[in-house]
Amino acid sequence: GQQVMQIPQYQHVQEGEDFTTYCNSSTTLSNIQWYKQRPGGHPVFLIQLVKSGEVKKQKRLTFQFGEAKKNSSLHITATQTTDVGTYFCAGGRGKLIFGQGTELSVKP
Amino acid sequence: EAQVTQNPRYLITVTGKKLTVTCSQNMNHEYMSWYRQDPGLGLRQIYYSMNVEVTDKGDVPEGYKVSRKEKRNFPLILESPSPNQTSLYFCASRSRLMTSAYEQYFGPGTRLTVT
Repeated sequence: GQQVMQIPQYQHVQEGEDFTTYCNSSTTLSNIQWYKQRPGGHPVFLIQLVKSGEVKKQKRLTFQFGEAKKNSSLHITATQTTDVGTYFCAGGRGKLIFGQGTELSVKP
Repeated sequence: EAQVTQNPRYLITVTGKKLTVTCSQNMNHEYMSWYRQDPGLGLRQIYYSMNVEVTDKGDVPEGYKVSRKEKRNFPLILESPSPNQTSLYFCASRSRLMTSAYEQYFGPGTRLTVT
C-alpha cells in the first residue's frame, strides 16, 4: 500500500540554526498537508499544498511540494524555542497516510 | 468556541472489556476521522467518515468499530480490547468545502491502556 516516509526522525539544533524535514511518498499525492504537534499536545494543521512545484511561506516556515507530487519539505529559518515539537506530513483526501514525523528540539 | 471533544481523556481497562471513546465536534464538519499514535509510528488512521452513515476503513481498522449516526458525533468502539490497542487516540474533523481545504481539527486525545 501507499507509504509516506519522513526524515530525519529526530533533529537537534541550536537556536538560530535552520531546520528541514523531508517527506517522500511511494505514490503520487493529490495533496500534502503539514501538521505540528507540541509535546503533550495534539496535531495542529499548518498548511496544505496541492499544485506540483508549489511553494508556500508562513513567516519563517517554507513549504515545498515536488514537481512529481511525490515529495515535500518543510524548512524553518532561524529556529526558535517555540518551534519545538514534532512535524508531520500527510497525504490523501479521505484516507490519510501520515509520515512518522520529525521531532525537533531546539537548544537555547 | 470551535472544538473537537473526546471522552474519556484517560482510560485504563482490561482485556476483553468493551469500551467506547466518544468524539464530538461543533463545527458542522462533514468529515471525521480516528487516529492512533504510537512511538516511532506517527499517526495511523483507523476509520474515517465523509458524512452521516458513511464510514470507511483507514490504515489500521482491525479491532475497531465506528458509527456515524449524527453529523457531530463519531464514536470509536473497541468490542474486545487487547494490549496491542494500548495507544494515544485522536479524533479529528474537517469541512468538505473546498474553501476550507483539508484543515483538520484534532481533539485533545485519549490515552488508553489495556492490561
